[in-house]
Amino acid sequence: QVQLVQSGSELRKPGASVKVSCKASGYTFNNYGMTWVRQAPGQGLEWIGWINTDSGSPTYAQGFTGRFIFSLDTSVSTAYLQVNNLQAEDTAIYYCAREPKLLDSWGQGTQVTVSS
Amino acid sequence: QSALTQPPSASGSPGQSVTISCTGTSSDVGGHNYVSWYQQHPGKAPKLILYEVTKRPSGVPDRFSGSKSGYTASLSVSGLQTDDEADYYCYSNAGGNIWVFGGGTKLTVL
Repeated sequence: QVQLVQSGSELRKPGASVKVSCKASGYTFNNYGMTWVRQAPGQGLEWIGWINTDSGSPTYAQGFTGRFIFSLDTSVSTAYLQVNNLQAEDTAIYYCAREPKLLDSWGQGTQVTVSS
Repeated sequence: QSALTQPPSASGSPGQSVTISCTGTSSDVGGHNYVSWYQQHPGKAPKLILYEVTKRPSGVPDRFSGSKSGYTASLSVSGLQTDDEADYYCYSNAGGNIWVFGGGTKLTVL
């Protein structure tokens, strides 16, 4: 069955970077894109963007350009989200989800906490 | 890329029906049928419950149904059950490779 398994919780200081991983199994990795979604505490879902796992081409939402970087390691069917120069407002749960058109499988979420 | 507009809250009693709206523009909801809905229980990852406006993934009860008129998509839940109490989000293509969520609706089963 399709499964997306994300890396564990992270605690960082402001200005630091974090890299979240999302390992896929149960399907052909480069046949489906990978979407990233953010959910701040008590808030709704925000679409960060997605990466074409076949071409490696990323698309970012407005407000997520510059500090947010998607990458892939297709040899281990894993997608990554790196966030640089972390701010307190980046404290959130970050989810990966398969495909941009319909998010039919989701990772369990990774809590990223930014605090001095 | 503005968020789609959903009512913050909705409610109904067990057995009743409730409808949640999702309003966008001609660039997103009104421009195509790539609208999907997600259910999120507290502390859990979201779950796909409808896609392409009206289609249900395998395993989703037919109590959940979708429709669209103009710039507004709707999720209807009939025969409300206590387990339906959750947050619901709509999601739509916003043109090209860009996608957007609605602000979310908290459904309370009274």
